Amino acid sequence: DQQVKQNSPSLSVQEGRISILNCDYTNSMFDYFLWYKKYPAEGPTFLISISSIKDKNEDGRFTVFLNKSAKHLSLHIVPSQPGDSAVYFCAASHTGANSKLTFGKGITLSVRP
Amino acid sequence: DTGVSQDPRHKITKRGQNVTFRCDPISEHNRLYWYRQTLGQGPEFLTYFQNEAQLEKSRLLSDRFSAERPKGSFSTLEIQRTEQGDSAMYLCASSFVSIYEQFFGPGTRLTVL
Repeated sequence: DQQVKQNSPSLSVQEGRISILNCDYTNSMFDYFLWYKKYPAEGPTFLISISSIKDKNEDGRFTVFLNKSAKHLSLHIVPSQPGDSAVYFCAASHTGANSKLTFGKGITLSVRP
Repeated sequence: DTGVSQDPRHKITKRGQNVTFRCDPISEHNRLYWYRQTLGQGPEFLTYFQNEAQLEKSRLLSDRFSAERPKGSFSTLEIQRTEQGDSAMYLCASSFVSIYEQFFGPGTRLTVL
């Protein structure tokens, strides 16, 4: 039972353009959402997060949008840079419980120079 | 370096042997989590500690797995009688109780022959 779904396994974009990474969830108890970036042979690196009481959070080139009614969130990266090429994981948490993270399978982003 | 550290980074063992991994969290963090990641999947929750207390274990954590955090600082994860299905990346993360972002170590890659 995949509670967090990243249905597109890969995405390729041109440098300077926008990257949009999508994520869907099924568990309505999730109230905190996070994006992590992972390079090969390294642990995930925290990028940006959003609470369910918000619909948008922005940090530099990264913006996360949350649509609670659709149980959908997206990560926008603009402008995309070659160094952004990595695997991106969406994760969700129920903060009233133990705050363990439930991850999607990840999306491999390739930014072409 | 004040991030999460894990030791060893790589472990190759024969089926049936016992292995132990260590995680040193960010020093002020009172929550410590263990996750396991297999190829093509996102990290999956195994167990977590708040200070020295182990508060939850996933059903993924069979009786062959045991984790400790004896003084609320570093943690160890032991796998007894390893099986080939235990081959995975074992990730440790830490956080504050009231802050939901978790910070990950580089992981320990286990290969069971």
